[in-house]
Amino acid sequence: QSVLTQPPSVSGAPGQRVTISCTGSSSNIGAVYDVHWYQQLPGTAPKLLIYGNSNRPSGVPGRFSGSKSGTSASLAISGLQAEDEADYYCQSYDSSLSGWVFGGGTKLTVL
Amino acid sequence: EVQLVESGGGLVQPGGSLRLSCAASGFTFSSFEMNWVRQAPGKGLEWVSYISISGSTIYYADSVKGRFTISRDNAKNSLYLQLNSLRAEDTAVYYCARGGRGAVIDDAFDLWGQGTMVTVSS
Repeated sequence: QSVLTQPPSVSGAPGQRVTISCTGSSSNIGAVYDVHWYQQLPGTAPKLLIYGNSNRPSGVPGRFSGSKSGTSASLAISGLQAEDEADYYCQSYDSSLSGWVFGGGTKLTVL
Repeated sequence: EVQLVESGGGLVQPGGSLRLSCAASGFTFSSFEMNWVRQAPGKGLEWVSYISISGSTIYYADSVKGRFTISRDNAKNSLYLQLNSLRAEDTAVYYCARGGRGAVIDDAFDLWGQGTMVTVSS
């Protein structure tokens, strides 16, 4: 059972927009700690996709966006492409655990 | 090239030990906090351990506390994880991941290695 809760799977057709939610608590997301998102393509290491709730590292397409409100965060992917098919993880720091926590991951399927 | 390269994984019996290494290159290793993150086969990501830039502050996940030891050698641009009293549930790919420069605690992990597989089985 992960500290951060994500839907196990989402899907969408090419060109559509999908969102992935990440729900935490008052000791992590709700405690003003930043939320980060990672993309893990099959058989590869995770890659930073969104940092500081809504910022994109250099090289990440503008189709990816993040937001945070209260104890939850969301990752939105617009203009879905086949290459977006991957696992997505949210992450934050948890003050009660004195460590970092990840969501359980969401598998995105592009139909 | 900016990269992290892990090594040291392998097959070990329950109760055994292993030492993982992570070699950093292409950036000033001594300016960044570092972490170990693991991923069991078919499962999600689990943060394992953190070490500050100087090595003076260390955190562990409860699942490994008392069994794993993180360390770093800034002169050798290297990060280590000593795994003792290994259990079957420690079987995973272990990644080293770069944190922030120490200004805030909740920096993202912006650089990851390719991972090294640890299998605990008799």
